[in-house]
Amino acid sequence: DAKTTQPPSMDCAEGRAANLPCNHSTISGNEYVYWYRQIHSQGPQYIIHGLKNNETNEMASLIITEDRKSSTLILPHATLRDTAVYYCIPPGGTSYGKLTFGQGTILTVHP
Amino acid sequence: KAGVTQTPRYLIKTRGQQVTLSCSPISGHRSVSWYQQTPGQGLQFLFEYFSETQRNKGNFPGRFSGRQFSNSRSEMNVSTLELGDSALYLCASRSGTGVGNEQFFGPGTRLTVL
Repeated sequence: DAKTTQPPSMDCAEGRAANLPCNHSTISGNEYVYWYRQIHSQGPQYIIHGLKNNETNEMASLIITEDRKSSTLILPHATLRDTAVYYCIPPGGTSYGKLTFGQGTILTVHP
Repeated sequence: KAGVTQTPRYLIKTRGQQVTLSCSPISGHRSVSWYQQTPGQGLQFLFEYFSETQRNKGNFPGRFSGRQFSNSRSEMNVSTLELGDSALYLCASRSGTGVGNEQFFGPGTRLTVL
């Protein structure tokens, strides 16, 4: 099964950038890396996904290394509301309607 | 657009009973997936329905079943409840077309089995 390695927890000061790393198997073919987050007591929320190029949307940026074996999610100006568990869904970790979640990274944003 | 809704939000059952949970996807979405979340196992995929057909299935016993109606609403059923079935059950919808897997999750149903 597709797997990821993420740090179990990270801290970030409010207003600073939060950089969340993820190691995964090499992205190939049409296998995307997806990022989701889950704020306490809510359902997961889609953040961003990418294949080989860096991606940016209104929530975050995604940097994928050239060898495509790791990626970094960047929240440019973290707020207290960004405190959540962040999940990196590995390449190959999706099929019809299926997301393979690991343990994720608990990001705590401090005032 | 209204989000994914799940009913009920909380449920308490006893061992041996059965339970049915409901999920209404975002309007226009034809795919509904179900997940179980527990502290020990994390988020685990149960199954996915698309156009009333189960298209994908996770590694859960046959006590867990589901169905989807013509309006894309979905239900999941757990029979002969066990204590270990206590969990947050989440459903997610997506348009169902293409390879994209951007799923929109509901708030979940918290099931407690006593």
